[in-house]
Amino acid sequence: KAGVTQTPRYLIKTRGQQVTLSCSPISGHRSVSWYQQTPGQGLQFLFEYFSETQRNKGNFPGRFSGRQFSNSRSEMNVSTLELGDSALYLCASSSNHGGYEQYFGPGTRLTVT
Amino acid sequence: AQSVAQPEDQVNVAEGNPLTVKCTYSVSGNPYLFWYVQYPNRGLQFLLKYITGDNLVKGSYGFEAEFNKSQTSFHLKKPSALVSDSALYFCAVRDMEESGNTGKLIFGQGTTLQVKP
Repeated sequence: KAGVTQTPRYLIKTRGQQVTLSCSPISGHRSVSWYQQTPGQGLQFLFEYFSETQRNKGNFPGRFSGRQFSNSRSEMNVSTLELGDSALYLCASSSNHGGYEQYFGPGTRLTVT
Repeated sequence: AQSVAQPEDQVNVAEGNPLTVKCTYSVSGNPYLFWYVQYPNRGLQFLLKYITGDNLVKGSYGFEAEFNKSQTSFHLKKPSALVSDSALYFCAVRDMEESGNTGKLIFGQGTTLQVKP
């Protein structure tokens, strides 16, 4: 099976702009989660989608949003970018049974200048 | 609140020697525990999980982990380290405090493993 794919891999934006990141899960996986990874805060959970519904949300401001489509692909959006949003954004997919282990994509490296 | 701790920022080991990367957890109920590895500029790769059953769990690339309920630990081990094992390792626990089924993971801060030739 193909793994989780994320696009784009690298992105440079300016403060105040908005950005949309895309994630395609492993075929058959209906759960998609997003995490932010920074050197200072480590890995932090953003949100999780299952069957087009957000079923869990982390402690991030409303500038961070996401959605999931009927084919389980997911997007996350960050509006009004701040310098502190510079991070590696990781998407993970999992099946909704068994151990719920998550399989991660390569990430999108976002740099805000 | 549920949490995961990795007490060592870095572990150094010589190639061929056994390695241990430590993890302790704090959860309500029975834990779902995971280990992931991250190579530079890459996403996280799943290594192994503990859900229930045998306390010694075997995973990918020769890694194994020992679940110890009394010590609330889930240490990652490998009998003979390779230089190529050098990477960043994360322990994680599934967040069971959320209502319903959820895949949310709580991660430790990570431990850098350095294997020297």
